[in-house]
Amino acid sequence: TQLLEQSPQFLSIQEGENLTVYCNSSSVFSSLQWYRQEPGEGPVLLVTVVTGGEVKKLKRLTFQFGDARKDSSLHITAAQPGDTGLYLCAGAVSLNFGNEKLTFGTGTRLTIIP
Amino acid sequence: DTAVSQTPKYLVTQMGNDKSIKCEQNLGHDTMYWYKQDSKKFLKIMFSYNNKELIINETVPNRFSPKSPDKAHLNLHINSLELGDSAVYFCASSQDHQYEQYFGPGTRLTVT
Repeated sequence: TQLLEQSPQFLSIQEGENLTVYCNSSSVFSSLQWYRQEPGEGPVLLVTVVTGGEVKKLKRLTFQFGDARKDSSLHITAAQPGDTGLYLCAGAVSLNFGNEKLTFGTGTRLTIIP
Repeated sequence: DTAVSQTPKYLVTQMGNDKSIKCEQNLGHDTMYWYKQDSKKFLKIMFSYNNKELIINETVPNRFSPKSPDKAHLNLHINSLELGDSAVYFCASSQDHQYEQYFGPGTRLTVT
């Protein structure tokens, strides 16, 4: 069973500060996704990274996939209150016949204080 | 327009009862999923269906029975509810197993 550990579990910082969230596993994934979930809603996909070492930027968010495709990080620059939410990484593992299964990480609850 | 919808939003019931949660997607996707999110916000796959065919069944008690009447619907029936079934259940869909998953708003099930 693949296990994705996220750190930190909770993070509360002031508006304008930078932060990094980590997602680590001993398993190799074919791709890795990051989701953000707000209270009372379902997770919403932010990005998918596929290639080892890949870096993707989404405005103030920078996502990196580890070279060995076992880990990932999410860096937020100049955090804003709108960034508050639960961040979930999810690793994709190939199954038979082209199917894949997502294993979600343990989650990071981020609070940005105005 | 709601892409993935679930009913009900909240469900409070007593132990031993049988209940169903319904899910519908209007995205034309081929694959649908059920996830369970516990009180620590850990999200775990339960089932997935592709074109009405069961693909993933993750060691879920057989009290849980998914039913897909067509590829736009995936319902979840739970028999003999237990306290430990209390959680938020999310339905999701994707064009294929390899693509972005779109989640519904969740159904908060409370078993008393």
